[in-house]
Amino acid sequence: ETGVTQTPRHLVMGMTNKKSLKCEQHLGHNAMYWYKQSAKKPLELMFVYSLEERVENNSVPSRFSPECPNSSHLFLHLHTLQPEDSALYLCASSQIMDPNEKLFFGSGTQLSVL
Amino acid sequence: GEDVEQSLFLSVREGDSSVINCTYTDSSSTYLYWYKQEPGAGLQLLTYIFSNMDMKQDQRLTVLLNKKDKHLSLRIADTQTGDSAIYFCAEKIGAGSYQLTFGKGTKLSVIP
Repeated sequence: ETGVTQTPRHLVMGMTNKKSLKCEQHLGHNAMYWYKQSAKKPLELMFVYSLEERVENNSVPSRFSPECPNSSHLFLHLHTLQPEDSALYLCASSQIMDPNEKLFFGSGTQLSVL
Repeated sequence: GEDVEQSLFLSVREGDSSVINCTYTDSSSTYLYWYKQEPGAGLQLLTYIFSNMDMKQDQRLTVLLNKKDKHLSLRIADTQTGDSAIYFCAEKIGAGSYQLTFGKGTKLSVIP
């Protein structure tokens, strides 16, 4: 397995459910990201973890809770979501402090909140 | 402020060249990127250019950067049906910035 892997690919959940999205990177990178992609809007950065420490949180509602147990794994825990949270959630990784730093993305989890 | 603008749609005939344009507002951009997203997939890095360069060529792809006008373009030569996708322009500001600012994406449709 190479690159950035996300599971599940699709998720349908009710507003009272609790679920988690998983991301794993096999690139030896030291930073991981969660992005939200909604129709007709630019990609929104949600969370950044660098060396397993959260370094940025762009005013994301508390119903989204990230977890980064090690440099290869990233989770996004979801609870009490709203229908407007339906979107494609993309995980990415990069090697920070690399002057030529580039983001590598997973295929995303398509989330539908009913 | 940070803002990256792209036109939303572009249609071209197979075999023609495609030119996707992007404008950005922050003159302190260090790197500019083009990503491609096919249906049901994540973003794939296509190419990038350092801000002190004017042009970069990589096989069928040519990136042109006009720093004065803050204009970036991606030219795809001999466009194929497999090039149909959404193309995102992104800028990175500063050496230590974690955040890329993305445009909304240009949907390229290739007509056989």
